[in-house]
Amino acid sequence: EPEVTQTPSHQVTQMGQEVILRCVPISNHLYFYWYRQILGQKVEFLVSFYNNEISEKSEIFDDQFSVERPDGSNFTLKIRSTKLEDSAMYFCASTGMRLSSYNEQFFGPGTRLTVL
Amino acid sequence: AQTVTQSQPEMSVQEAETVTLSCTYDTSESDYYLFWYKQPPSRQMILVIRQEAYKQQNATENRFSVNFQKAAKSFSLKISDSQLGDAAMYFCAYKGGTSYGKLTFGQGTILTVHP
Repeated sequence: EPEVTQTPSHQVTQMGQEVILRCVPISNHLYFYWYRQILGQKVEFLVSFYNNEISEKSEIFDDQFSVERPDGSNFTLKIRSTKLEDSAMYFCASTGMRLSSYNEQFFGPGTRLTVL
Repeated sequence: AQTVTQSQPEMSVQEAETVTLSCTYDTSESDYYLFWYKQPPSRQMILVIRQEAYKQQNATENRFSVNFQKAAKSFSLKISDSQLGDAAMYFCAYKGGTSYGKLTFGQGTILTVHP
């Protein structure tokens, strides 16, 4: 069964460093999302992406964040200058083009980002 | 803005018993979708069950069923015949009727299953 994959599973970085989190969505999906979950808290929406453009972004998604689909398979989230409060689990999700009645989002296993 | 509230931070159940997790939401939209996601210790988000707001019939998936009360904006999850593998964090989530819109999650409920 197709699945969303994410790399790395765990990333440790120093404050102020740039990080790139990678996702490979399900191959025939065209809408992509990033969510984050600070430990012990709820999952929060960051950004959605379609047709090489941001469709929607939250207040969390400030100028330090960017997303890109550099090729036909990868979807990346870049944090330019990490802060301690960026430490969280980051989930990628994708959904298909089929106009289903529920537009289920399929989640990847997440990348745990630790900022020291 | 839409909000989702789960008022039970933790719940516990005996194996083989039934447990109900509560969720309420607030929205001004008439067309929307509701979901329950399970997050085991591995932290993978797994879709458990979904409900379309326009459907009056409550969704059921094997041992999982929902009680959807649209007027009360309530969406509870019932797990029957609880199993040890059901132990996880459960999130209620809302998605507006716009295709491919974002999910808005509740705070989550930690479910413990006792043998």
